[in-house]
Amino acid sequence: KAGVTQTPRYLIKTRGQQVTLSCSPISGHRSVSWYQQTPGQGLQFLFEYFSETQRNKGNFPGRFSGRQFSNSRSEMNVSTLELGDSALYLCASSLAPLAGDNEQFFGPGTRLTVL
Amino acid sequence: AQKITQTQPGMFVQEKEAVTLDCTYDTSDQSYGLFWYKQPSSGEMIFLIYQGSYDEQNATEGRYSLNFQKARKSANLVISASQLGDSAMYFCAMRGGNQGGKLIFGQGTELSVKP
Repeated sequence: KAGVTQTPRYLIKTRGQQVTLSCSPISGHRSVSWYQQTPGQGLQFLFEYFSETQRNKGNFPGRFSGRQFSNSRSEMNVSTLELGDSALYLCASSLAPLAGDNEQFFGPGTRLTVL
Repeated sequence: AQKITQTQPGMFVQEKEAVTLDCTYDTSDQSYGLFWYKQPSSGEMIFLIYQGSYDEQNATEGRYSLNFQKARKSANLVISASQLGDSAMYFCAMRGGNQGGKLIFGQGTELSVKP
């Protein structure tokens, strides 16, 4: 069974550009969550999608957005990139919205560098 | 507000010895879940162990056990018989009862296993 895949793995952009990151969850998983990891702020929750609907959102500006498709694949978009957006972006999938011991399986992440 | 605190930025342990990584949490939820993840230098988050707030017994998964003390709001990870491959960042995380897929992470502990 394939794990969570994220593309691309590495990305370099310049300030002001926009970027789209993709996440394919484990087959059969319908819930996808996104996290941002930086040395200064640690791991922070961005948003969660289930059945193409955003169920939960973290404390990030509107430049950060996402969506989920009918096949559960998810994309996140960051517009007007800032230097502080440089981070490892992690995607996690689970069978359903996290409840009980319903664990989240993480992908390898996309490392975004903004110059 | 929910919070996870890991007070040990870095830890050293001799190979084959046991090590305890500390985690304390704060939440007003009655129902919650506690997770431990391992993050090697490759960046992928690897699920280790889960403890539910209503679980009466401490969780165990192979060499990993969770020392859950609910009254003290602590959920320490114990790794027995450390191996060189255990060298990594370790994150404690919490999911609140009404938080769906949102995990709150601690700042992490970097574990180094010495041969």
